[in-house]
This record gives sequence, structure tokens and C-alpha cells, in this order.
Amino acid sequence: SYELTQPPSVSVSPGQTASITCSGHKLGDKFAHWYQQKPGQSPVLVISQDTKRPSGIPERFSGSNSGNTASLTISGTQAMDEADYFCQTWDSGTVIFGGGTKLTVL
Amino acid sequence: QLQLQESGSGLVKPSQTLSLTCAVSGGSISNGGYSWSWIRQPPGKGLEWIGYIYHGESTYFNPSLKSRVSLSVDRSKNHFSLRLNSVTAADTAVYYCAVVVAGSEHFQEWGQGTLVTVSS
Repeated sequence: SYELTQPPSVSVSPGQTASITCSGHKLGDKFAHWYQQKPGQSPVLVISQDTKRPSGIPERFSGSNSGNTASLTISGTQAMDEADYFCQTWDSGTVIFGGGTKLTVL
Repeated sequence: QLQLQESGSGLVKPSQTLSLTCAVSGGSISNGGYSWSWIRQPPGKGLEWIGYIYHGESTYFNPSLKSRVSLSVDRSKNHFSLRLNSVTAADTAVYYCAVVVAGSEHFQEWGQGTLVTVSS
């Protein structure tokens, strides 16, 4: 079965750039989507179809996907960006989530 | 804009059946352009996709749960439902309903989630 692998945690200083990776076999041939989840809240879509930012998502969020790795990049990270981030793709009609990455803004 | 709201029993005994409903507002569940999904998240853990239903009756399930899951749509009430049978403590989780717009492959809207605890 298809799997997506994320680092359990990433730390970043305020104002710096955070990068969260999501790895899967030939993931670049599929779409990768990213969700932000803060404690006690439902996930929120922050990047769809590799690079698209939904309405209301700050420009500092961006995405890429090539080869076996998709990445979520947060430029000028703010304290409010501290959250869990999950990648997601679609494989043979089924939905796959990555294990999630806890982003800490130190 | 679609809005989703889960409801159902928050406490289920082991070996019994978990039943949840997701009420849809802001759109029709009969709209063939949507797939209606269930996702769960055990306390402190990641997201696990359960399954989805589209066109009112076609379904796809997570292979690890397929033997215990059923999904249905009630067009008259504009809601869709999840049934998970033979539950154990491992099924304790926050259960979310969510919607995928056809062709988009991502979850556009989520419900607020409901905690279901499996315990005697």
C-alpha cells in the first residue's frame, strides 16, 4: 500500500523559513495537498494540488512537488503558524495521509 | 459554502456499532460533484481516512477498515452516515466528516469533529 512519510517535528525561529517535507514513491506524479491543524481544531487546507493557495491563506505559505518529495514552505514564519501539518494524496481511489509534522516556532 | 456537522453517540461499548451522521448545509448532498468522506484521528495521533461515498451509493474504503465500515446517504435529510461495527478501544478517536469536490482530490471543507470513546 502507498505510504507518505513526514518528519515528526520541525523547529523554526520567528521570521525564518520553515520547510516540511512529505515523501512517497513517485509522489511527483500525483497531487500533494497540505493541511494545518491547531490544537482542538479541524484541519484547514493550506495548499492544494501541489502549489495552490486557497482563498484566505497567507502568501507566506507555498508548496512544491517533484520526484519523490513534496514540500510545504512557510516564509517569514509567525508564532501563529505553530501547528501540526499533514500532507495528503490520492492513490488508486483511496486517500493517503502522511503521519504529520509538528511545527514549533521557537 | 458547504458546512458540515457531525452528530452521534459519544460513547460506544466494545463489540458494538459506532454510528455517526454528518449534516450538510449550504448545498445538496445529491450534487454529483461531491464525494462525502469520513476521517478519524485517535487522541494525539495523525489523520486516518475511513472512506467516502459519491453518487449516493458508490463507495471506497480504507482497506484496513473495509470489513467493518458502511456508508450511506439520506437525500431527504441532506446528510450522510457512518457505521463501524465490532469496535474496540483502538477505534476511540475524533471523527470528522469532510467533502471533496469532484476532480480536486483534496478535502475542501471539514466538520468540527466529534469524539467517540469506546469503553465499557
